[in-house]
Amino acid sequence: KAGVTQTPRYLIKTRGQQVTLSCSPISGHRSVSWYQQTPGQGLQFLFEYFSETQRNKGNFPGRFSGRQFSNSRSEMNVSTLELGDSALYLCASSLEGQGLYEQYFGPGTRLTVT
Amino acid sequence: AQTVTQSQPEMSVQEAETVTLSCTYDTSENNYYLFWYKQPPSRQMILVIRQEAYKQQNATENRFSVNFQKAAKSFSLKISDSQLGDTAMYFCAFMGYNTDKLIFGTGTRLQVFP
Repeated sequence: KAGVTQTPRYLIKTRGQQVTLSCSPISGHRSVSWYQQTPGQGLQFLFEYFSETQRNKGNFPGRFSGRQFSNSRSEMNVSTLELGDSALYLCASSLEGQGLYEQYFGPGTRLTVT
Repeated sequence: AQTVTQSQPEMSVQEAETVTLSCTYDTSENNYYLFWYKQPPSRQMILVIRQEAYKQQNATENRFSVNFQKAAKSFSLKISDSQLGDTAMYFCAFMGYNTDKLIFGTGTRLQVFP
């Protein structure tokens, strides 16, 4: 089975621009979660989607948004980029979510905002 | 709000020796899940071990075992017969019941040397 894939792997954007990151979960997995990893703040939960619905949301401003498609693929979007948005963005998928099943992480997208 | 604390930023151990990584957490919930994740340098996050709070028996996965003390809210990871491939960042994480939101500690960087 293919693992969680994230595209692109690396991205450089300019302050004020917007960016869309993509995550393809493991086949059959319906829950996708997103995390931001920075040296200063560590790993922080962004949001979780299940069956195209946002089920949980972390404490991030409205500039961070996401969606999930009917094939469980998920995208997250960051608008009006700030320097502090530079981070490794990780996505994780699981069968059903809610702690019942293991979360499998993707390799991440490293976003650099200049 | 739940918090996870890892008080050891860095640790080192000699190959074949045993090392214990500490983790404490704070929650008012009675049912929850606890995890240890491993993030090798420039590689994907993988699950090492998980513990369900309602289970009194400590989880074990090959060379990895936990000491779960629910009353003390402590969840340490013991790595026996350390191998060079165990070199990585180790994150302790908490997940409440019926949620897919992982709350991570700040991590412990473990170096295994020959």
